[in-house]
Amino acid sequence: KAGVTQTPRYLIKTRGQQVTLSCSPISGHRSVSWYQQTPGQGLQFLFEYFSETQRNKGNFPGRFSGRQFSNSRSEMNVSTLELGDSALYLCASSLGDRDTYEQYFGPGTRLTVT
Amino acid sequence: KNQVEQSPQSLIILEGKNCTLQCNYTVSPFSNLRWYKQDTGRGPVSLTIMTFSENTKSNGRYTATLDADTKQSSLHITASQLSDSASYICVVSPTFSGGYNKLIFGAGTRLAVHP
Repeated sequence: KAGVTQTPRYLIKTRGQQVTLSCSPISGHRSVSWYQQTPGQGLQFLFEYFSETQRNKGNFPGRFSGRQFSNSRSEMNVSTLELGDSALYLCASSLGDRDTYEQYFGPGTRLTVT
Repeated sequence: KNQVEQSPQSLIILEGKNCTLQCNYTVSPFSNLRWYKQDTGRGPVSLTIMTFSENTKSNGRYTATLDADTKQSSLHITASQLSDSASYICVVSPTFSGGYNKLIFGAGTRLAVHP
């Protein structure tokens, strides 16, 4: 079974631009969560989608948004990029929306904002 | 405030040696604790998951222990290999069947295995 895939793997943007990241979960998984990982803050929860509905949202500004499609694929969007948005963005999929289900992480998208 | 603290921050060991990584948490209530391995530039991969009632869980050369009374967990790596070089992240869930937004991540321990 194919794992979680994320595209693109690497991205360089300039301040003020916007970016869209994509995540394809494992087949059959309906939950997709997004995390931001930086050296200083570690892994921080962004949001979670289950069956096209946002279930939970972390403490991030409104510039961060996401959505999930009927095939469970998910996208996250960051508008008006800031230097501090440089990070590894990880997507994780699972069968259900409770933490009793195992999460499987993708390889991440490395975003650099200059 | 619920916290998860890992020690040491970084560790260097020689190939073939054993090592133990620590995770202390102040999370209450406590549901389960997971250990993840994350290679540089990659996503975390689950090693073990233990509920509050479990004391130990093994996955090959990785053995995790949990002491719910002292709120401590350790990850023991036996006969280390170069491929064990990675960050190891401890993650605690404070609720029973809660959402992923409730997970509390430790900062990780960066392990380097040298030949």
